[in-house]
Amino acid sequence: SQELEQSPQSLIVQEGKNLTINCTSSKTLYGLYWYKQKYGEGLIFLMMLQKGGEEKSHEKITAKLDEKKQQSSLHITASQPSHAGIYLCGAAPGGTSYGKLTFGQGTILTVHP
Amino acid sequence: DVKVTQSSRYLVKRTGEKVFLECVQDMDHENMFWYRQDPGLGLRLIYFSYDVKMKEKGDIPEGYSVSREKKERFSLILESASTNQTSMYLCASSRQLAGAPRVFGPGTRLTVL
Repeated sequence: SQELEQSPQSLIVQEGKNLTINCTSSKTLYGLYWYKQKYGEGLIFLMMLQKGGEEKSHEKITAKLDEKKQQSSLHITASQPSHAGIYLCGAAPGGTSYGKLTFGQGTILTVHP
Repeated sequence: DVKVTQSSRYLVKRTGEKVFLECVQDMDHENMFWYRQDPGLGLRLIYFSYDVKMKEKGDIPEGYSVSREKKERFSLILESASTNQTSMYLCASSRQLAGAPRVFGPGTRLTVL
């Protein structure tokens, strides 16, 4: 099965700072999804990446999939307290339904005002 | 606002009880999913459905069953609840071509005593 490793496990930053969260797989990623979760609530879909080298942005959040399609990074510019939460990456194992995502353990982000 | 709703935010049941978790979406999505989320284990897929009366096992289907009689409703059934099924349960949905879950419900925190 495909395993996803996220780093760091937790991150504490001061408001206004930039930060990066990584998601690494030992296998090729066929569809990489980023989600955000506020504590005790459901997930919010952020972005999906499919092609090697692909980069997408939404407001101050940018996600990129490397050329080898084994690592993705999520970068937040000028962080704000509203960015706080748990960020999870999910990926579909090659050759199987996209419905069967495997998730990373999540990165807990705290942003101090 | 489009959304996924779950019948309860918090639920307490006794060992051996039959438990129904209900999920309803109002977006006319074909795909619906049930996940459980546990500390240290992350998010794991229990079952998903890609059409009415269709279902497919996820990674941890043991001890669970599902029902999808109508497109908007996907029910998770614990036939005989056990303490190791104490968890946060998340329902999600997506359009057929989107594959992976796009909209999540707020979650049901189930405690089995």
